[in-house]
Amino acid sequence: GAGVSQSPSNKVTEKGKDVELRCDPISGHTALYWYRQSLGQGLEFLIYFQGNSAPDKSGLPSDRFSAERTGGSVSTLTIQRTQQEDSAVYLCASSSVPGQGKELFFGSGTQLSVL
Amino acid sequence: AQSVTQLDSQVPVFEEAPVELRCNYSSSVSVYLFWYVQYPNQGLQLLLKYLSGSTLVKGINGFEAEFNKSQTSFHLRKPSVHISDTAEYFCAVSNTYNFNKFYFGSGTKLNVKP
Repeated sequence: GAGVSQSPSNKVTEKGKDVELRCDPISGHTALYWYRQSLGQGLEFLIYFQGNSAPDKSGLPSDRFSAERTGGSVSTLTIQRTQQEDSAVYLCASSSVPGQGKELFFGSGTQLSVL
Repeated sequence: AQSVTQLDSQVPVFEEAPVELRCNYSSSVSVYLFWYVQYPNQGLQLLLKYLSGSTLVKGINGFEAEFNKSQTSFHLRKPSVHISDTAEYFCAVSNTYNFNKFYFGSGTKLNVKP
């Protein structure tokens, strides 16, 4: 596709359920990021994948959050036992060959609402 | 550690007026600086970036920003705004040691009124 694709665009779930959010980066982009955007706050870094290297998970807020990237392309962010404070927009971004000042290309995000 | 501060959460301005959106950062090493724009229901897109060289950087849609190392600022400006500039603007920073990690500010909502 032409851009970063995220699905679903909206997800409503009940507290305690697990959710999976999907990101399909731009073809050929080796770097993939997940960010969380909460109401009135900036973008919170969650996790970063670069090629076949071990991901940088330093931003994951708890062990209920995990992410994987299969075949160096599609990524899935999983939140287990969702809590109301997990409600936010989850943004995925990808980038081409790593380098200084590279541009991030963002998807439109998944709006997660935990009831 | 790095951080980015956008003091203005909202900036209202009339069409054709000039605007400045403020961004300050903290870092112990040299930085790369970015401004992104987010239109309603869309992802973020790059407006402009500073890597090195001239401190005045020009971007898309008539925006420009100036890097001021002594004041640790990277304010975004436009001499004459349009209704279509209504959006949320995010300042971001990375550094020369870990340029793969980006820190974003809390965003400034620009509301251009007719």
